[in-house]
Amino acid sequence: TQLLEQSPQFLSIQEGENLTVYCNSSSVFSSLQWYRQEPGEGPVLLVTVVTGGEVKKLKRLTFQFGDARKDSSLHITAAQPGDTGLYLCAGAAGSTLGRLYFGRGTQLTVWP
Amino acid sequence: NAGVTQTPKFRILKIGQSMTLQCTQDMNHNYMYWYRQDPGMGLKLIYYSVGAGITDKGEVPNGYNVSRSTTEDFPLRLELAAPSQTSVYFCASSAIQATYNSPLHFGNGTRLTVT
Repeated sequence: TQLLEQSPQFLSIQEGENLTVYCNSSSVFSSLQWYRQEPGEGPVLLVTVVTGGEVKKLKRLTFQFGDARKDSSLHITAAQPGDTGLYLCAGAAGSTLGRLYFGRGTQLTVWP
Repeated sequence: NAGVTQTPKFRILKIGQSMTLQCTQDMNHNYMYWYRQDPGMGLKLIYYSVGAGITDKGEVPNGYNVSRSTTEDFPLRLELAAPSQTSVYFCASSAIQATYNSPLHFGNGTRLTVT
């Protein structure tokens, strides 16, 4: 059973296009983190969202936490080849000590 | 600034062999974790530790053991390797509970193949 469902699983776009990645659950999360992973490396944190309805911007990346804290989205504006990577969302569920639940990831490829 | 260091980077095991995946961090983090990553499956938590001498099971602990004798080191032991343990293993650490908005710092992984 996958607590967090990410979509799409694969995304292949041209440089300059916009895209949105979704992370959905039927469970409520106290916070949600987004990571990016490049081949041969471990994931690296991009952002943490905590409050329902929260929006955070990181240059061309916009992260949103749903009002009910069950879902999140990542929007990239004018994608660049350097954005290529595996994007993972991870949710902290209540008081489960130390446990982050990861989605399966979205593999993004941006072509020049 | 090393962060989280994992060794080895690659390993091939025969069924039934045992091995230890090493993980060390130099950030003085109390919390350490072991995840496995299978293609298209995200990251699954194997074991975690909230400090030296304290460990607990994650989602997929069967076939693995851990110990935490020091703050810096958190080795993962596979006793009887099975093909189902073929995966990429990531060690991570965090300053406080990952659930309290504390980011996970990951190593670069160990790619293990069991044949």
